[in-house]
Amino acid sequence: SQQGEEDPQALSIQEGENATMNCSYKTSINNLQWYRQNSGRGLVHLILIRSNEREKHSGRLRVTLDTSKKSSSLLITASRAADTASYFCATHNQGGKLIFGQGTELSVKP
Amino acid sequence: KAGVTQTPRYLIKTRGQQVTLSCSPISGHRSVSWYQQTPGQGLQFLFEYFSETQRNKGNFPGRFSGRQFSNSRSEMNVSTLELGDSALYLCASSLGGREEVFGSGTRLTVV
Repeated sequence: SQQGEEDPQALSIQEGENATMNCSYKTSINNLQWYRQNSGRGLVHLILIRSNEREKHSGRLRVTLDTSKKSSSLLITASRAADTASYFCATHNQGGKLIFGQGTELSVKP
Repeated sequence: KAGVTQTPRYLIKTRGQQVTLSCSPISGHRSVSWYQQTPGQGLQFLFEYFSETQRNKGNFPGRFSGRQFSNSRSEMNVSTLELGDSALYLCASSLGGREEVFGSGTRLTVV
């Protein structure tokens, strides 16, 4: 079963708008990671947030983590057409395996 | 420095055949993990190797196997291929299993 579940499954916005994706997970975590995947290619690591952190920024990316709700969100500000991709959250389970959610497919229209 | 290299990029095989995929990790990375990605099941963990030893294994049948060499390069093998094995196979390397760096994947099509 998936450790992380993303919401929404698909998101379509205009360039310049903000995009927010949510992720929920089931068990306690040490950290949570977000990845991007373009057109069925390899995954690109975006950001890692530790369980004792509540918010983290990287460029136009802002990630929040609420361990009490077992949820995280990824915000992309001022989106660009190049941000069109699938976004996945991932956590390590107790055995150390990296478990991914089903992903959010983001489409940014120029 | 060079990223994670997976070969081949694309592969077409017939049911019943076997296939071997290769992954060269980032220099210095000793952990290599393999994942299968399909539209229906998403990204699923196959196995992880560290210093030539399998450290973790996902819920896949014994037809899926792997190994790691002393230079950290890894191979995965799928025997007696089935149509459902058609997928994107991704390899990732890391220093110690925290932040994984992924290759571009091998797209396997079984006909």
